Parts: sequence; C-alpha cells; structure tokens
Amino acid sequence: AQKVTQAQTEISVVEKEDVTLDCVYETRDTTYYLFWYKQPPSGELVFLIRRNSFDEQNEISGRYSWNFQKSTSSFNFTITASQVVDSAVYFCALSEAVIKAAGNKLTFGGGTRVLVKP
Amino acid sequence: KAGVTQTPRYLIKTRGQQVTLSCSPISGHRSVSWYQQTPGQGLQFLFEYFSETQRNKGNFPGRFSGRQFSNSRSEMNVSTLELGDSALYLCASSLAAGVTTGELFFGEGSRLTVL
Repeated sequence: AQKVTQAQTEISVVEKEDVTLDCVYETRDTTYYLFWYKQPPSGELVFLIRRNSFDEQNEISGRYSWNFQKSTSSFNFTITASQVVDSAVYFCALSEAVIKAAGNKLTFGGGTRVLVKP
Repeated sequence: KAGVTQTPRYLIKTRGQQVTLSCSPISGHRSVSWYQQTPGQGLQFLFEYFSETQRNKGNFPGRFSGRQFSNSRSEMNVSTLELGDSALYLCASSLAAGVTTGELFFGEGSRLTVL
C-alpha cells in the first residue's frame, strides 16, 4: 500500500524567511510520480510540480525548489524568501505506476499549513 | 479557458437523505476524479471516470457512486447520508489519455454538511 507522510502539520514564519516542507513516502512500485499541490483558502488544489521516480534531479521554479531523494524516500519542498501570499496548506502526493495505466489516483499526505506573517 | 466547475458549492442535508454533486471538467479533459476531504481523514480518493467508465475506485462504501456523461461531465451521489459524510468534495479533471499523468486540475469543491 502507498503512504505519504507530512510530519509538519503547521509552520509559521515571518515574511522573507525560507521554509522547507518535508514529505516522506512509501510505495512498492518502482515507477511512480510525486506531486506537490497548494490549497489556498478558496479550497481548490493548485498543481505545483510533478516528479517521475526515475528523475532525481532537483528542480527550481522561481522561489520554489524541490529536493527528491529516492534513497530516503523523500520529496521536500522549499519556499525561498516567503511572502504572505504563500500562506496555504501544501500537500505532497504519490501516484501509482505509469505502467499499470491505472489512471489518476493520488495518495495524499496530511498536508502542512504554512502561515507567513508580515 | 474555464476551470473545473462544481455545483452546488454549499449544501446542508439531514441524515438518511441522499445528495448529488455535479462536476464540469475543463473543456477537452476526459478524466474526472473525485476526492473527499475531511479534517480527520484528509484527502481521500473516491473514484475516477474516463470516457464514461469507472477506471479506479477508492475504499468507500457502496453508498458512494458516480457516473460520467458523454460530454465528460460527472456526477457523484451519496445515499443514506451519515454525519461522517460531512466533507469538502473535490472534483479534478485531467487530459489523461489512458496512462497516469496525475496533473489534476481541481475545482473549488462542494461543501456538504450533514445534520
């Protein structure tokens, strides 16, 4: 069975501080996708990134960066120079193997609430 | 380009009633997934439809059902409502041409309160 753990339930920072969100996953599949989604107060989840299990390169997109380490089954997310607009709940998620053509079924972690104070 | 539209946004029902929620995906998207979000259980996968066929189903009782129409619009139904069914129900659409992509586009959800 797949499992995603986000140990941090809530993080509070002051604007311009960096914040790192931890994500640890469990799967028996050798091929899988990892994701991060952002949920602002409006409720809809906003896609941030998708990472294939074969691609361990770290990725940077603006103030966002992701560190994928297959050896420790972790996919951590860092927001650099945080802003008030970054306040939201962030979810890490895992999908089943591409080979199974199993469709779009995601297993989500419990989420980390980020509060950025001005 | 219009996003995923869910109706109704809010609704209140009493135990034992049934409810139908609707989801219109992004134009051109053929996959529609449904998720339940509660404070206790978090985000849980309900089911996914692709080309009017249920492709995947989560671990929910048979009271939870869904369907997809030829225009890709989807509905989910919950019968014999229980207090524990109170949740935010999120619909997501994807291009998903037969393989896992996971890049889901979510609606703002339907918040169901069961009294």
